[in-house]
Amino acid sequence: DAMVIQNPRYQVTQFGKPVTLSCSQTLNHNVMYWYQQKSSQAPKLLFHYYDKDFNNEADTPDNFQSRRPNTSFCFLDIRSPGLGDAAMYLCATSRDWGRPNTEAFFGQGTRLTVV
Amino acid sequence: AQKITQTQPGMFVQEKEAVTLDCTYDTSDQSYGLFWYKQPSSGEMIFLIYQGSYDEQNATEGRYSLNFQKARKSANLVISASQLGDSAMYFCAMREPYYNTDKLIFGTGTRLQVFP
Repeated sequence: DAMVIQNPRYQVTQFGKPVTLSCSQTLNHNVMYWYQQKSSQAPKLLFHYYDKDFNNEADTPDNFQSRRPNTSFCFLDIRSPGLGDAAMYLCATSRDWGRPNTEAFFGQGTRLTVV
Repeated sequence: AQKITQTQPGMFVQEKEAVTLDCTYDTSDQSYGLFWYKQPSSGEMIFLIYQGSYDEQNATEGRYSLNFQKARKSANLVISASQLGDSAMYFCAMREPYYNTDKLIFGTGTRLQVFP
């Protein structure tokens, strides 16, 4: 059974039209990550939550926002998508540091196309 | 400054041979974790192996082992007896917990191709 679920798997949006990507988890992990991965590149950390504490990477554009209304759900909002925002967006979750099995569990990703 | 460095953009290995994928990292923290993930062309991220900074023994998981040299800040992945299905991108990653932050950042990756 999928433990980290991203919806939708594929998203097409118009240039400048706000779009929201969603991530849900059944693992009750308190750490959640959002990554942007462009073709043949490494996943780039956009932001992460440690419980409710939101941590933005310094180079994450203001165009990207996130919400985590509860432990299970996390959203990525792109306020005005540009052509350069076309990418795979990966959500991942992890347990508290120091507990066993501290690897991050990834969703299948949402592939965003901007037209 | 690059925190995780993977200097091999691509590697080739013959089936059944062993291969080492390099990873060096940079941190001033004492407590951190190092991970290797595999990403096939399907795009899913598959966890392979983990090494904690305080672990004295090198981690092993089946055909995967991690050659951890703390003083040199390296965490190389060794795949023994390569299989055709091992062809994929391989990413080294580091987790740095600190108070209410807990970053997980990735290196640039190595594309491994296994040939018959």
